[in-house]
Amino acid sequence: GEDVEQSLFLSVREGDSSVINCTYTDSSSTYLYWYKQEPGAGLQLLTYIFSNMDMKQDQRLTVLLNKKDKHLSLRIADTQTGDSAIYFCAESMGSNQFYFGTGTSLTVIP
Amino acid sequence: DAGVTQSPTHLIKTRGQHVTLRCSPISGHKSVSWYQQVLGQGPQFIFQYYEKEERGRGNFPDRFSARQFPNYSSELNVNALLLGDSALYLCASSAGVGGGSAQYFGPGTRLTVL
Repeated sequence: GEDVEQSLFLSVREGDSSVINCTYTDSSSTYLYWYKQEPGAGLQLLTYIFSNMDMKQDQRLTVLLNKKDKHLSLRIADTQTGDSAIYFCAESMGSNQFYFGTGTSLTVIP
Repeated sequence: DAGVTQSPTHLIKTRGQHVTLRCSPISGHKSVSWYQQVLGQGPQFIFQYYEKEERGRGNFPDRFSARQFPNYSSELNVNALLLGDSALYLCASSAGVGGGSAQYFGPGTRLTVL
């Protein structure tokens, strides 16, 4: 469960939707998380999904989980310039350890 | 309510020195985890403590150690610093342990080793 992969960069226009993708390798992962990190700051928890769910929606955020393909995505509707940041997915297998991806840098173009 | 706090915010040390980083969890949280984030990478797990006991350890050398106090605050100690220890050290607190306990991160301590 230590290989969590994300694409490095994503650029979108303000007002469009952003989709950030993540793949993980451990099928026993029980919880999957999305965090946001702004420059020079710590990580802000955005949302998480339990592995027996397929989708979770929270205001502008939608998380989709495809367990068969071990694929997780975060969709941000009506992306704003304040959404520019690095987004990390993380998996936890019920243990005490979180495994983080390499992060996707989202740039929102005004 | 105050979030996770860490001190100091920045630190500059030279090779071979020792450093102590401090973390105070969210009130009511009993678990603290430490992560190292090297520039351009995701956080790497170092330790987790719960109720003053070590509950998990990542793949870091014995130069790294930590402890948790009765008030649930925590210290991370790194001995014999190497240049490669330069990183952002993040502390996260959670109510409990296990994957269902979301971890809330502090702002981090930026350590530079010269």
